[in-house]
Amino acid sequence: EAGVTQFPSHSVIEKGQTVTLRCDPISGHDNLYWYRRVMGKEIKFLLHFVKESKQDESGMPNNRFLAERTGGTYSTLKVQPAELEDSGVYFCASSQTRTTNSPLHFGNGTRLTVT
Amino acid sequence: SQKIEQNSEALNIQEGKTATLTCNYTNYSPAYLQWYRQDPGRGPVFLLLIRENEKEKRKERLKVTFDTTLKQSLFHITASQPADSATYLCALDPYQAGTALIFGKGTTLSVSS
Repeated sequence: EAGVTQFPSHSVIEKGQTVTLRCDPISGHDNLYWYRRVMGKEIKFLLHFVKESKQDESGMPNNRFLAERTGGTYSTLKVQPAELEDSGVYFCASSQTRTTNSPLHFGNGTRLTVT
Repeated sequence: SQKIEQNSEALNIQEGKTATLTCNYTNYSPAYLQWYRQDPGRGPVFLLLIRENEKEKRKERLKVTFDTTLKQSLFHITASQPADSATYLCALDPYQAGTALIFGKGTTLSVSS
């Protein structure tokens, strides 16, 4: 089966610009997660979709971040306007079931650099 | 504060030796603990899951233990190989409520031949 794919792999933008990250989960996985790793820190949870519904968005840093999952398939994460502290690697992961004993399948991430 | 600590940021060992990585947590009561491997430029890859009522789990050269009294998990790689060099992450569900996993910072293992 195809794995989780993320696009783009890298993005360099200037402060104040907008960037949209995309994630295609494994087909049939209802659960989709966004995580972020800032340099030197641990991977941190951003939000969780079950199909098209936001189950938990407690990790979203602020209202400059908007995540969508229309139709319950792929997801986008938009940062508008981007700030310097938004730089990091954004990971998407999917799982078949909701319970946390299910392993997460991660994409290779989008490395975002805000200058 | 609530947190996960992995014993060290880096661990260097000789090929053929056993690598032991530590994951300690405070103020959580997780039902499960998971270990992932991450290579540079790639996303984490799931390795093993251990439940709170399991003392030990094995998979090929990997072994994980889970001590809920000590709030600690140990991850062992026996007969280590240079190909085992990577960053290893532990992750747990903090509130047993189906909430998302939280991760430690990881330990970067280097196995030299």
